[in-house]
Amino acid sequence: EIVMTQSPATLSVSPGERATLSCRASQSVSSNLVWYQQKPGQAPRLLFYGASSRATGIPARFSGSGSGTEFTLTISSLQSEDFADYYCQQYNNWPYTFGQGTKLEIK
Amino acid sequence: EVQLVDSGGGLVPPGGSLRLSCAVSGFRFSSYAMSWVRQAPGKGLEWVSGISTSGGSTYSADSVKGRFTISRDNSRNVLYLQMNNLRADDTAAYYCARGLRGHNFAFDLWGQGTLVTVSS
Repeated sequence: EIVMTQSPATLSVSPGERATLSCRASQSVSSNLVWYQQKPGQAPRLLFYGASSRATGIPARFSGSGSGTEFTLTISSLQSEDFADYYCQQYNNWPYTFGQGTKLEIK
Repeated sequence: EVQLVDSGGGLVPPGGSLRLSCAVSGFRFSSYAMSWVRQAPGKGLEWVSGISTSGGSTYSADSVKGRFTISRDNSRNVLYLQMNNLRADDTAAYYCARGLRGHNFAFDLWGQGTLVTVSS
């Protein structure tokens, strides 16, 4: 099973600043990685697939990058609605595993 | 409207059974792979089971293999998860999720979730 490790577990950032979230795979997943955003009481929302392809309706301040084992989600200028939990997930190999999440909170 | 509506959750004793349903509308259900993903209270996401467009291929996590069965009825636009021999650690919100075309296990549409509580 591929283990996905996200860091940091919690990230405190001020509105308007940049946030950088990391996701590492225990073995290569090529570019078969997605990022989700989840707010309390809501279902996850797809942000990126294929590591860097933005999903429909996702603002340009969000960007995804990486391949192999190292991936990054960057939010260039944080808005109030961006404070949430973020998860990465690999879909290269069964079972399709998620990272443990990063909580992005207001500083 | 494009949507997934999960239902069927509830309180069940250990060893009991439950069947979850996911009603689909607004898109061609038979063209998409589907999955169930769960989230224990206050915890992260865990992929549970997936099924191909025709239903001919199914996949499950080891944690539920032999106990949970995923199926679909393309004529009724419904996805199911039959859960047997439930355990306390199966307690979670269960989401049905649509696979992105060309990336079957990347999920671009989610249900609202249905809560399963396993307790005596």
